[in-house]
Amino acid sequence: GQQVMQIPQYQHVQEGEDFTTYCNSSTTLSNIQWYKQRPGGHPVFLIQLVKSGEVKKQKRLTFQFGEAKKNSSLHITATQTTDVGTYFCAESGGSYIPTFGRGTSLIVHP
Amino acid sequence: DGGITQSPKYLFRKEGQNVTLSCEQNLNHDAMYWYRQDPGQGLRLIYYSQIVNDFQKGDIAEGYSVSREKKESFPLTVTSAQKNPTAFYLCASSVPGKGGYTFGSGTRLTVV
Repeated sequence: GQQVMQIPQYQHVQEGEDFTTYCNSSTTLSNIQWYKQRPGGHPVFLIQLVKSGEVKKQKRLTFQFGEAKKNSSLHITATQTTDVGTYFCAESGGSYIPTFGRGTSLIVHP
Repeated sequence: DGGITQSPKYLFRKEGQNVTLSCEQNLNHDAMYWYRQDPGQGLRLIYYSQIVNDFQKGDIAEGYSVSREKKESFPLTVTSAQKNPTAFYLCASSVPGKGGYTFGSGTRLTVV
């Protein structure tokens, strides 16, 4: 799999504030997947983006795939305490072996 | 309900001992994977298998071994050769090329 860099590593927000995490690659990505891992839990698949410029929404979560397919973002509107966890991006490539970013840990202060 | 079962949830091992972590899936997925996660770290691939009786080394295979005798099962053995085995081990499965990966709930291994 390709190298995917994820930033920031940590993000503290007040409940109600927005949050964004970014996933970047120096080369073109075949696809991008996003996962959420709650503290003490395991990663759970959220979504996959495949097309250039693709935007998908899940309630307060918005996922974007860049036009050049070299970056992606996950944006959460009006965070809640239930959003706490680590968000990972991953790319599986032609070999279908996923490469994960190091994740962004979201801490929401009530 | 279909899913992946990892056991045990917590495991303690003495230095010098081998230990085997279980991973069973009933999703009929062809591919299975083992990842290691250390605190504050991402997921590092240990081994993967895309078909029964075949498996490949990942990025950090040294000190680990696997087998894939059945489609449903992909056990991981942490050998005494693994220098820093204390970690959270995650098993995953997928249908290659079709959507995301399903993870088990993990095994926390501690070497005492």
